[in-house]
Amino acid sequence: ETGVTQSPTHLIKTRGQQVTLRCSSQSGHNTVSWYQQALGQGPQFIFQYYREEENGRGNFPPRFSGLQFPNYSSELNVNALELDDSALYLCASSLGGVQLQTQYFGPGTRLLVL
Amino acid sequence: GIQVEQSPPDLILQEGANSTLRCNFSDSVNNLQWFHQNPWGQLINLFYIPSGTKQNGRLSATTVATERYSLLYISSSQTTDSGVYFCAVGPRETSGSRLTFGEGTQLTVNP
Repeated sequence: ETGVTQSPTHLIKTRGQQVTLRCSSQSGHNTVSWYQQALGQGPQFIFQYYREEENGRGNFPPRFSGLQFPNYSSELNVNALELDDSALYLCASSLGGVQLQTQYFGPGTRLLVL
Repeated sequence: GIQVEQSPPDLILQEGANSTLRCNFSDSVNNLQWFHQNPWGQLINLFYIPSGTKQNGRLSATTVATERYSLLYISSSQTTDSGVYFCAVGPRETSGSRLTFGEGTQLTVNP
């Protein structure tokens, strides 16, 4: 059984650019959630995908968007990058969208916006 | 939205000491997890414990849902226990499994 994987591990972008982060869910899981963790803070919920549809969104602007694919892997896209987008982006997978289940986190992608 | 408060924010221990970390939350939950974040940022699941008591080796956790708090106990601490401990909850009124995290407890265990 493979765990949650994320790519890339590190990324440097400049303000105004666009970025795509990727996540492969744990085997058998159909739900993927994305979180943003700024330095020194707890992770904040961005959105969740369940069976390829968005299933809840946190307080993030529309320039944060996502996708989930038939194999339940997921992408997080951020347009018009701002300096404050610099953070650790975490992906978590779980089983079931409505039923609350244990979430398992990937190692994260560290994004630096210059 | 639901508020999650963790205490203490920082804790420094000598190896072998015991500690208790607390998590208070402001509303009913049906999901509560404790995580340990290592220095590389990986969040490691410790417990899924929306209610009751669980133990795993030197770690144990208790959640009293009716009083809206959870406790994480670390016994005979080791230097490898250092890192940030997060409590995260899933509010009862929301669908899906989104988690709201506290600000964490930074634990340092000195040899």
